[in-house]
Amino acid sequence: EPEVTQTPSHQVTQMGQEVILRCVPISNHLYFYWYRQILGQKVEFLVSFYNNEISEKSEIFDDQFSVERPDGSNFTLKIRSTKLEDSAMYFCASSVGRDTQYFGPGTRLTVL
Amino acid sequence: GDSVTQMEGPVTLSEEAFLTINCTYTATGYPSLFWYVQYPGEGLQLLLKATKADDKGSNKGFEATYRKETTSFHLEKGSVQVSDSAVYFCALSFGSGNTGKLIFGQGTTLQVKP
Repeated sequence: EPEVTQTPSHQVTQMGQEVILRCVPISNHLYFYWYRQILGQKVEFLVSFYNNEISEKSEIFDDQFSVERPDGSNFTLKIRSTKLEDSAMYFCASSVGRDTQYFGPGTRLTVL
Repeated sequence: GDSVTQMEGPVTLSEEAFLTINCTYTATGYPSLFWYVQYPGEGLQLLLKATKADDKGSNKGFEATYRKETTSFHLEKGSVQVSDSAVYFCALSFGSGNTGKLIFGQGTTLQVKP
């Protein structure tokens, strides 16, 4: 059964460094999403991406964040200058239409 | 704004007990409703969904009915197993005309003891 994959599973970085989180969505899906979950808190929407552009972003998704689909298969989330409060689990999801989303296993980001 | 509220956890049950996890929502319009489950160390998996009022979603013995009049989508299972121990998330989204982003509740941890 096709699944969403994410790499790395765990990323440790120093505050102020750039990180790129990678996702490979399910191949025939058209809508792509990033969510994050700070330890002990809700899963929060960050951004949605369709037709090679951002379709919606939350107030969390400020200028430090960007997304890209560089080669038609990968979907990346970049954080330019990480802060301590960016430490969280980041989930990628994809869907065929704007309905059922399939999630990857997540990347745990730890900012020191 | 749109939101989802779940009962506080953890919920601790003995095997074969009846499970209810309450979920209520606030939304301007008629969202689709979902239950996702997160097993330890894994990502979110769709458990069941309902797209309109009075629909019942079901999967693996779990059920939930979309109740517009009470804005609720409570998760139930008649007889839980140890393997059901996980975190359960209720969520809503608006499909048509929107991006389909999911709005999640805070999650409810279920622990089932043998």
